[in-house]
Amino acid sequence: KQEVTQIPAALSVPEGENLVLNCSFTDSAIYNLQWFRQDPGKGLTSLLLIQSSQREQTSGRLNASLDKSSGRSTLYIAASQPGDSATYLCAVMDSSYKLIFGSGTRLLVRP
Amino acid sequence: DAGVTQSPTHLIKTRGQHVTLRCSPISGHKSVSWYQQVLGQGPQFIFQYYEKEERGRGNFPDRFSARQFPNYSSELNVNALLLGDSALYLCASSLAGEGGYGYTFGSGTRLTVV
Repeated sequence: KQEVTQIPAALSVPEGENLVLNCSFTDSAIYNLQWFRQDPGKGLTSLLLIQSSQREQTSGRLNASLDKSSGRSTLYIAASQPGDSATYLCAVMDSSYKLIFGSGTRLLVRP
Repeated sequence: DAGVTQSPTHLIKTRGQHVTLRCSPISGHKSVSWYQQVLGQGPQFIFQYYEKEERGRGNFPDRFSARQFPNYSSELNVNALLLGDSALYLCASSLAGEGGYGYTFGSGTRLTVV
């Protein structure tokens, strides 16, 4: 059974800091991995999609890597801003095309 | 282009009642999935539909049902509501619901059961 874990559960950093969020999964048989952002009480906004054959994806200040063999992904946020404060969720697409989510990392960027 | 739209945004129901949640996918997307998110946790898979056929079902009781219409919109129905059904219900659409495609989520329906 696929399980997804995100560490840390919460993170507080000063503005301008570079940071890394971690995601691990137990079964390497995935189609892809997606990182999402969720603001309080809102839906999910897709940030980056990495196919299983890819190693990383970049969008602006965000960079996500995928090491399928070790079951790990990282989301790197450069020069963090208060507007980056949100919960970040990673999800893997399993062999039946459904998403399995972690519990998220709650990020607070202090001005 | 409109994203994934869900209605209603919020609703309050009493235990034992029935509820219907609606979702319109992005134009051209043929796959719709439903997820339940309780406070403090990641979303949990409920159903996936592709081309109006159920492709997958998560570990939810038979009180939960869904369908997809010819225009690819979808409904999630929950019967005999329990307090524990209170959650954010998210709909996601995908071009084909297969490995090469990502999912786009709607803003969700916040269901409160009292």
